[in-house]
Amino acid sequence: AQSVTQLDSHVSVSEGTPVLLRCNYSSSYSPSLFWYVQHPNKGLQLLLKYTSAATLVKGINGFEAEFKKSETSFHLTKPSAHMSDAAEYFCVVTPGAGNNRKLIWGLGTSLAVNP
Amino acid sequence: DVKVTQSSRYLVKRTGEKVFLECVQDMDHENMFWYRQDPGLGLRLIYFSYDVKMKEKGDIPEGYSVSREKKERFSLILESASTNQTSMYLCASSFAGVTYNEQFFGPGTRLTVL
Repeated sequence: AQSVTQLDSHVSVSEGTPVLLRCNYSSSYSPSLFWYVQHPNKGLQLLLKYTSAATLVKGINGFEAEFKKSETSFHLTKPSAHMSDAAEYFCVVTPGAGNNRKLIWGLGTSLAVNP
Repeated sequence: DVKVTQSSRYLVKRTGEKVFLECVQDMDHENMFWYRQDPGLGLRLIYFSYDVKMKEKGDIPEGYSVSREKKERFSLILESASTNQTSMYLCASSFAGVTYNEQFFGPGTRLTVL
């Protein structure tokens, strides 16, 4: 069965330092993978997506993620954190095998950025 | 810009009341979804619809029903609200297709059942 695990429920970084949010997945098929972001009191927004093209995916606001099939990982990174990056981040995988209506959501990682 | 709107940002209801949550999208999306979001539990799918009058149960459909009479509108119904249905409810929509299409989310409705 497909699943997604976000390895950290909370991450705290200082402004200007790198961000790493970790995500591992389990899938019997070639998955599509996504990161969504939810800022306080705002709706969920797609940050980036991997759909079997380039394994290094660039998203909005300077974020990127690398699909590593051998490690079944899709970690989200950013070279330098900004205060406005403080939010909840969700790693998401599609079940695959033609069923792309439903998504499988990680439990989320709360990112705090300290001045 | 895709817009998904939800009828209320905040809602307070009493136990046993019938509750309607409305969602409207303006991008002619085939798929529409209702999730609830609770701390520590992430997003859980309640129901989704892939066409008018078509619906499919998600992971936690108990205590909920849905209605999709028009393509742009998807309603979530709590037949008899209970305190354990206090939550943030999120609506989303997406195009259909063989490959995955991005889901666009509304701002959410925070429902409190007293």
